[in-house]
Amino acid sequence: DSGVTQTPKHLITATGQRVTLRCSPRSGDLSVYWYQQSLDQGLQFLIHYYNGEERAKGNILERFSAQQFPDLHSELNLSSLELGDSALYFCASSTPGQGDYRMNTEAFFGQGTRLTVV
Amino acid sequence: GQQLNQSPQSMFIQEGEDVSMNCTSSSIFNTWLWYKQDPGEGPVLLIALYKAGELTSNGRLTAQFGITRKDSFLNISASIPSDVGIYFCAGPHAGNMLTFGGGTRLMVKP
Repeated sequence: DSGVTQTPKHLITATGQRVTLRCSPRSGDLSVYWYQQSLDQGLQFLIHYYNGEERAKGNILERFSAQQFPDLHSELNLSSLELGDSALYFCASSTPGQGDYRMNTEAFFGQGTRLTVV
Repeated sequence: GQQLNQSPQSMFIQEGEDVSMNCTSSSIFNTWLWYKQDPGEGPVLLIALYKAGELTSNGRLTAQFGITRKDSFLNISASIPSDVGIYFCAGPHAGNMLTFGGGTRLMVKP
């Protein structure tokens, strides 16, 4: 168990709909990252939040957005869903905030949310 | 953007055999991470490497940070059926953002 919790584990929804994926990072971790894993794309970085602030954006579509709340949990919102958005969405956390640079790069992943758009 | 190339893409080996896989980049990395992903699960961190030439072990797994800082290697000794999965290399850039290789799918025949 990595300590990172994602809900729901599975989600089936129709095209055009909007969904929210939730992530609770490991206790004490300040960074949350979101990744998308499709069959033909591997693990693609979407977005990084640190202590409530957006720090980096990857290839995230404009239809997707995220936020990190004061209690450090994060939500990834996916709207106007298309068939091609079907994928595994992973959340990872890092940075225990102890000042050890090594811990800043060791990301621990949740079990993911499998999104199926029909 | 930066790309990590992993090889081989897949391996089908006999239980008990040793396994080697590698990861190369056109850019220098200061950290290399190796993850394993089981079907339907999230990637699990196996080994982290921080210095060129570093050799680090975790049980039957050994990973090395290449001297050029553009490659890394993962070896698994005496493979067992539970080693089955996809192995990913990853490296951070632009801060803490991780770039992942395409993965090496390992299959073990009992």
